[in-house]
Amino acid sequence: GAVVSQHPSRVICKSGTSVKIECRSLDFQATTMFWYRQFPKQSLMLMATSNEGSKATYEQGVEKDKFLINHASLTLSTLTVTSAHPEDSSFYICSANLPSGGVSTDTQYFGPGTRLTVL
Amino acid sequence: EDKVVQSPLSLVVHEGDTVTLNCSYEVTNFRSLLWYKQEKKAPTFLFMLTSSGIEKKSGRLSSILDKKELFSILNITATQTGDSAIYLCAGSPYNTDKLIFGTGTRLQVFP
Repeated sequence: GAVVSQHPSRVICKSGTSVKIECRSLDFQATTMFWYRQFPKQSLMLMATSNEGSKATYEQGVEKDKFLINHASLTLSTLTVTSAHPEDSSFYICSANLPSGGVSTDTQYFGPGTRLTVL
Repeated sequence: EDKVVQSPLSLVVHEGDTVTLNCSYEVTNFRSLLWYKQEKKAPTFLFMLTSSGIEKKSGRLSSILDKKELFSILNITATQTGDSAIYLCAGSPYNTDKLIFGTGTRLQVFP
C-alpha cells in the first residue's frame, strides 16, 4: 500500500506559538491531500482539502487564518496552526488519495498522525 | 446532507467470537464505501467496495455492500485481541475526493 508520513508525531508547545506539521507521500505523487482532526473517542473531522499549486479548500467552521495549509509540491503538504491555544490540542491526521493510471482514486491513505498538546 | 451512520457504537466480545459491524449511508452521487481500522494512530485501509453483493475478503475479515439498501457490513470471524480497534466506514461520492466518515464502532476483544 501507499505510504504517507507525518512529522512530527508529537508536539507540545506553549499557548500563542505556531506549530507546523508536515505530510509527505513517500512513494507516489498526490495532487490532493486532506487534513483531519480527531478528538478523543470521536471520528475524523475533515478540516480542509489541500490542492497542489492552489489554495486549500476549507470545511465550514474551520478558520483559514488559524490553520494555514500549503501544498507546494506533489509530495508535501503542510499545516500550520497559528497562535495555538489549548483548545487546539488534538490529533491531526493527513491523508492522500492513491493515484491510479495518473488519475486520483477514492482510496485515501493516512499518515500516522500528529498529537498536538498546547499548554 | 450526506451522512454515514455506524452501529453499534461500541462492542465488547471474547476472543473467538464473530462480530458484525454495520454501516448505513446516504451519499449523493455515491461512488464507493471504504472501511478502515484505527488503533492508536491513524486509520489503516481495509476494503473499498463499489459493487453490490460482491464480498471482499482478507483473512478473517470480510465485507459486502448493498447499494439498494444503502448499507455495508464488516464481519470479523474468530476475533483476536489484536482486532481491538475503532472501525471506521466512509462514503466516497463521485464529484469530490472527500470521504464522509461515520462515527466509528469501537471493538474491544478480551481474552
